[in-house]
Amino acid sequence: KNQVEQSPQSLIILEGKNCTLQCNYTVSPFSNLRWYKQDTGRGPVSLTIMTFSENTKSNGRYTATLDADTKQSSLHITASQLSDSASYICVVSMNTGFQKLVFGTGTRLLVSP
Amino acid sequence: SQTIHQWPATLVQPVGSPLSLECTVEGTSNPNLYWYRQAAGRGLQLLFYSVGIGQISSEVPQNLSASRPQDRQFILSSKKLLLSDSGFYLCAWSVLDREDTEAFFGQGTRLTVV
Repeated sequence: KNQVEQSPQSLIILEGKNCTLQCNYTVSPFSNLRWYKQDTGRGPVSLTIMTFSENTKSNGRYTATLDADTKQSSLHITASQLSDSASYICVVSMNTGFQKLVFGTGTRLLVSP
Repeated sequence: SQTIHQWPATLVQPVGSPLSLECTVEGTSNPNLYWYRQAAGRGLQLLFYSVGIGQISSEVPQNLSASRPQDRQFILSSKKLLLSDSGFYLCAWSVLDREDTEAFFGQGTRLTVV
């Protein structure tokens, strides 16, 4: 069964601290892995996208890693800011002739002052 | 630049009433279009996708239907809403099916069926 699991389910950190979110997947055939940020009541916005051959990608204070052998990914947020409070969703794309995206349930991050 | 518009932002409808959510894309042609639903505390679930005008594929059996009357217009409908249709509905688009193709989402519609 094609699934994407994320941990932790929720996380509270102090402003300025770092954190790491985890994503494990069992999706085949694998095309790419994306991390999205979703503010409450809004559509997801892409942070990073990694293909099978990429094992790390950065976007400002966000750094994503991908281990295609173990089917694991992480999203590291450095020097957190209050505006980082959101849900972070790991999404794996299946190459089935169209982009079929399998979504994780997300990690809800709260950055407190 | 490409933009995606989805409306309305929120909607409260009684059980048994019809539904029509609209999504339009600007700045691109022949996009792949998608409708997703996000139930409370759960991940996004693909409902429908379309690779061209009049071409609709359904991922899960349900009370909803989709139509694509124009290249950049995607409509989600129901003849009679159920309580279980409540949720957050998102429209998305992408172009081409390269492995690094980006998917862009609308702002979503919060539907509450009462």
